[in-house]
Formats: sequence, structure tokens, C-alpha cells
Amino acid sequence: QKEVEQNSGPLSVPEGAIASLNCTYSDRGSQSFFWYRQYSGKSPELIMFIYSNGDKEDGRFTAQLNKASQYVSLLIRDSQPSDSATYLCAVRLGSQGNLIFGKGTKLSVKP
Amino acid sequence: GAVVSQHPSWVICKSGTSVKIECRSLDFQATTMFWYRQFPKQSLMLMATSNEGSKATYEQGVEKDKFLINHASLTLSTLTVTSAHPEDSSFYICSAGVSETQYFGPGTRLLVL
Repeated sequence: QKEVEQNSGPLSVPEGAIASLNCTYSDRGSQSFFWYRQYSGKSPELIMFIYSNGDKEDGRFTAQLNKASQYVSLLIRDSQPSDSATYLCAVRLGSQGNLIFGKGTKLSVKP
Repeated sequence: GAVVSQHPSWVICKSGTSVKIECRSLDFQATTMFWYRQFPKQSLMLMATSNEGSKATYEQGVEKDKFLINHASLTLSTLTVTSAHPEDSSFYICSAGVSETQYFGPGTRLLVL
């Protein structure tokens, strides 16, 4: 069974710190990896995606992928209270088909 | 780009009635759309995958006769909750595939009295 695991949290960090969110996946054939942010009562919004091993940076966000360890992470630099949300990791086997979502990690950034 | 809309955003209905939710891709064509359901404080659950012009593929445990999905065009998919009951009250969210990513609609909150 294909699984995506995330620590449910809550992960609490002070404002200005780096928040590190982690995700592991079970299927070695996974090719595409996504991070979504979901505010309470809202639908998920795409933050970024990564396909290749290594780091991918977009503003304050950096996604890190290690396919050998089946591990993908999201770093948020200079965390802001507005970053407080649930972060969903999602994985897909190929270029088509549905995403497999983790249960999400709740992040709380304290002012 | 990649905007997905849903209508309505809120529905309150009586038990036994049917409710139709529309999902539209506004600025792109989506051959595949996905329907999710999320109960309070729980994770996103995929209900079905909808392909334009063909029958939807339902996830295990989702009743296809209760949750009717129609994907009649490349920009519109509909989910009809038939004979809704209070246990169907939930947050229903659609998403549409663009290239290799998925973009979510804003969701429809359904309350069945």
C-alpha cells in the first residue's frame, strides 16, 4: 500500500525562525513530490513541487528531496505568523494519476 | 493562471434531498478532475477521479450511486450527493490537473439537517 507519512504536530516555532517539515513515502517508484498549505477552513494551495534529488528554492521556501532515503522536506525561512497552517505532503508515481497525500503537519508560528 | 472555482461555496439542505456541486477550471482545460472530502480536523480523502467523457473511478468505500460524478466537458465536473443525510455533511473539494500538478478549488461546505 502506497503511504505518505508526516508528523501531525503541532510544530511550534518562534517568528523569524526556520520551520522544517518532513515527509517520508513508501513507494520507491514515486516521481513527483508536492507541498500544499491548508489554512483552517480553506482548501489546499500549492506551495511548490520537486522532481529531482536536491534542493529547490522559491522565496522563503526550500523543498529538499532525497529519493534514496525516500524523504522530502520543506524548509520555511524567516517564519511568519501567517505561515501558521497545516502543510500537506503529496506524492505521485508517474506523470499522470492522482496524488497520495499525507495527513499533514500543523505548523504554529508564535509572534 | 490555473484557477479552479467551485459552486456553491455553502449548501444547507434537508435530509433526503440531492445537492449538486460544480467544479470549473477557469483558464485551462482539465482532462482529469479529482473530488475530495474532508471532515473536521481530518485529512483530505480522495473520493473519485473524474475523466472527461468517461466514467469516474471511485475509491474504495465510496458509493458511486450516492455520489454521482459527471465530467461532461474539459472545464466542468459536477458531483451530485443524492439523498443526502447528516453524515454526508462535510467539506467537498475538487482539484484539476495541469501538467503534472493539481490545483484545488475553494471547496464547498455541505450541511445536511
